[in-house]
Amino acid sequence: NAGVTQTPKFRILKIGQSMTLQCTQDMNHNYMYWYRQDPGMGLKLIYYSVGAGITDKGEVPNGYNVSRSTTEDFPLRLELAAPSQTSVYFCATDRDRNTGELFFGEGSRLTVL
Amino acid sequence: AQSVTQLGSHVSVSEGALVLLRCNYSSSVPPYLFWYVQYPNQGLQLLLKYTSAATLVKGINGFEAEFKKSETSFHLTKPSAHMSDAAEYFCAVEGTGNQFYFGTGTSLTVIP
Repeated sequence: NAGVTQTPKFRILKIGQSMTLQCTQDMNHNYMYWYRQDPGMGLKLIYYSVGAGITDKGEVPNGYNVSRSTTEDFPLRLELAAPSQTSVYFCATDRDRNTGELFFGEGSRLTVL
Repeated sequence: AQSVTQLGSHVSVSEGALVLLRCNYSSSVPPYLFWYVQYPNQGLQLLLKYTSAATLVKGINGFEAEFKKSETSFHLTKPSAHMSDAAEYFCAVEGTGNQFYFGTGTSLTVIP
């Protein structure tokens, strides 16, 4: 089993460009999350989903969009990239509420110049 | 609202010495608390979790943490540090709405 797979691993964008970070899981988990990690700031939740067709905002959703059309996939869309979106992005899953065990992908490092 | 505070962004210990990483939580209800570890260029992985059963929780790789309600703390310890323990450690609390809130992290350096 691959677990949680994120693509791409690295990307450089110009200001104003758009892109999608892909996240796919093969664990049949209902809950999926997108976090961004900035030095000295820990992880901040961008969006999350409790199942196919359901998404909700986290702490820092501005500038991002998500969709969840299947259990397996939870893509994160950046519409107009800004330097403030330079970060490492992590996708994570959880089987169900209150298990407390998030399974993380290896991260996608995005630089906006 | 739930939150966690990690004291000390960098901790250095000698190999074989005690590891102590500090985490204090803020919660109006009994929290679920977690410690995660992140090795370089990898995602986070769960070390241990507290879910209101035993106050002393044992995790992987010899780590343990004790939930102390009176001190609102959930510090992570390991009796004897190993070189392979060098990593970044995050304390987290489960909040409302299926969200997890992470601390700012503590980078552990192990000196040979």
